[in-house]
Amino acid sequence: DAMVIQNPRYQVTQFGKPVTLSCSQTLNHNVMYWYQQKSSQAPKLLFHYYDKDFNNEADTPDNFQSRRPNTSFCFLDIRSPGLGDAAMYLCATSRARFQETQYFGPGTRLLVL
Amino acid sequence: ILNVEQSPQSLHVQEGDSTNFTCSFPSSNFYALHWYRWETAKSPEALFVMTLNGDEKKKGRISATLNTKEGYSYLYIKGSQPEDSATYLCAFSDSGGYQKVTFGTGTKLQVIP
Repeated sequence: DAMVIQNPRYQVTQFGKPVTLSCSQTLNHNVMYWYQQKSSQAPKLLFHYYDKDFNNEADTPDNFQSRRPNTSFCFLDIRSPGLGDAAMYLCATSRARFQETQYFGPGTRLLVL
Repeated sequence: ILNVEQSPQSLHVQEGDSTNFTCSFPSSNFYALHWYRWETAKSPEALFVMTLNGDEKKKGRISATLNTKEGYSYLYIKGSQPEDSATYLCAFSDSGGYQKVTFGTGTKLQVIP
């Protein structure tokens, strides 16, 4: 089945230790998104790629970076995780930007010690 | 900043009961309203995308209505079953320049057998 896969499902890191979360998709969608969701809050868009075009949200901290080496894969790099970065990170894809239905991965729950 | 609100935040219903919850969104610059279901440990899954005022969508026991003039959508579940237990997210797409999708915080439904 075509899908969006996120690895790992759970990630534990230490305060200040760089961490990378990965997302892959078999849908061949042009757009890939990264969301951060903290407990009881709405998913918050960090950035998205339209093909190779990177779009950062104005309020996304510099500590968060992303790479999309090809259509299928997208990575979220947190350069120096702080305790406040503990959250669920969701990857999603869509065929066109935003208005279309998004297809989500199961998320990676990040714990920062 | 667009305000998308969902109520209630959580609810418990008995198996067989019908229930409904609300998504409120800005009444201007409407493009689309999405409903997603997110079961624990799974990926958020698209239920409906609604684009026209007065739209009604149905999928099995779940249905949704849309009022773009007053800025709200209702999701109804008829004869709730334990497998309906999930968080239901709505997401508003606006037709403005950036065309961003804004999620609500979700309604967490627990169906008690």
